[in-house]
Amino acid sequence: QKEVEQDPGPLSVPEGAIVSLNCTYSNSAFQYFMWYRQYSRKGPELLMYTYSSGNKEDGRFTAQVDKSSKYISLFIRDSQPSDSATYLCAMKKGTGFQKLVFGTGTRLLVSP
Amino acid sequence: EAQVTQNPRYLITVTGKKLTVTCSQNMNHEYMSWYRQDPGLGLRQIYYSMNVEVTDKGDVPEGYKVSRKEKRNFPLILESPSPNQTSLYFCASSLSGGIQETQYFGPGTRLLVL
Repeated sequence: QKEVEQDPGPLSVPEGAIVSLNCTYSNSAFQYFMWYRQYSRKGPELLMYTYSSGNKEDGRFTAQVDKSSKYISLFIRDSQPSDSATYLCAMKKGTGFQKLVFGTGTRLLVSP
Repeated sequence: EAQVTQNPRYLITVTGKKLTVTCSQNMNHEYMSWYRQDPGLGLRQIYYSMNVEVTDKGDVPEGYKVSRKEKRNFPLILESPSPNQTSLYFCASSLSGGIQETQYFGPGTRLLVL
């Protein structure tokens, strides 16, 4: 079983829709959770990070962590065609030089 | 402009022919790492370096070598490439690997080994 599971998609939505992207994980030692966005033919870029359980909001993006269920989510409100990309979740056990474990990524397509 | 650069961006080679993919960052970052990205497997760490002359294995180090002689450069060496090393490779760097620090990724190197 992979440590981090993520549906590869593609997830197709119309412009303006609310998007929900999710990851599940098996290792309860993970404490730090991140979402990266990767445009085609580009490297990933960090979107958001959260520590432990709870919500974090940044503009149209909300990251949610439920450690009891080992489940993390990224919500995108008022989705735009420019949000079309692959979204990767990532997590690590602690601060400092700890290994990042990535999900496989979900491809999101937002149509005008 | 703060960036991580990789060269070459695209490479086609044959089995057994040694190659080096260069990675350079201009942000004075201590932490650098190499990943490979494969469909269905996501990003997997190959090697990482916490500073000059300090390197360690990631999840999939077999068939790869690295060196960190200068802070800005972290080349990835394939001594004898094989077809299963066909992949998309990313170099990344951050100030010290901490969670609150952005890890900057390079643009990727697409490698095909025939």
